[in-house]
Amino acid sequence: EPEVTQTPSHQVTQMGQEVILRCVPISNHLYFYWYRQILGQKVEFLVSFYNNEISEKSEIFDDQFSVERPDGSNFTLKIRSTKLEDSAMYFCASSQFRTEAFFGQGTRLTVV
Amino acid sequence: GQQLNQSPQSMFIQEGEDVSMNCTSSSIFNTWLWYKQDPGEGPVLLIALYKAGELTSNGRLTAQFGITRKDSFLNISASIPSDVGIYFCAGNNNDMRFGAGTRLTVKP
Repeated sequence: EPEVTQTPSHQVTQMGQEVILRCVPISNHLYFYWYRQILGQKVEFLVSFYNNEISEKSEIFDDQFSVERPDGSNFTLKIRSTKLEDSAMYFCASSQFRTEAFFGQGTRLTVV
Repeated sequence: GQQLNQSPQSMFIQEGEDVSMNCTSSSIFNTWLWYKQDPGEGPVLLIALYKAGELTSNGRLTAQFGITRKDSFLNISASIPSDVGIYFCAGNNNDMRFGAGTRLTVKP
């Protein structure tokens, strides 16, 4: 069964460093998303991406964040200068028709 | 904004009991979805609802898309221990927004 894969599963980084979280969406999907979940809290929308551009973004997705689809398969989230409060699980998701989305297993980001 | 209010926050039930949880919003959504999340895992899609009034089942799970398109409920019948987890509703227009989750505990 096709699935969304995310790497790495866990990333530890120093405050102020840049991180890139990687996702391979399901191959025939057209819509891609990043979500964040701080420990014990709800899943928060960050950004949606379609046709090689951002279609929606939340107030969380400030200038420190960027997304890219560098080739036909990867979808990346970059955090330019990490802060302690960026520590969270980051989930990538994809959907075929902008209806139901399928999630990866997440990357646990720990900023120290 | 597209806030979703999900209730209850948590439920403690006995194995075999039925469960009901719901989500309301001030915004209209084109699609309502229900996900389950186990610890350390990503949300897994349980049921997707596409039309107002739609009632859909997936095994012991039943969900409905409210007529106003501003609410949805999820029922689980005859709960079992593996139903334990956090259940999230989500409303989707261009950006899927999640409710705060219902944490379900099932006592054997």
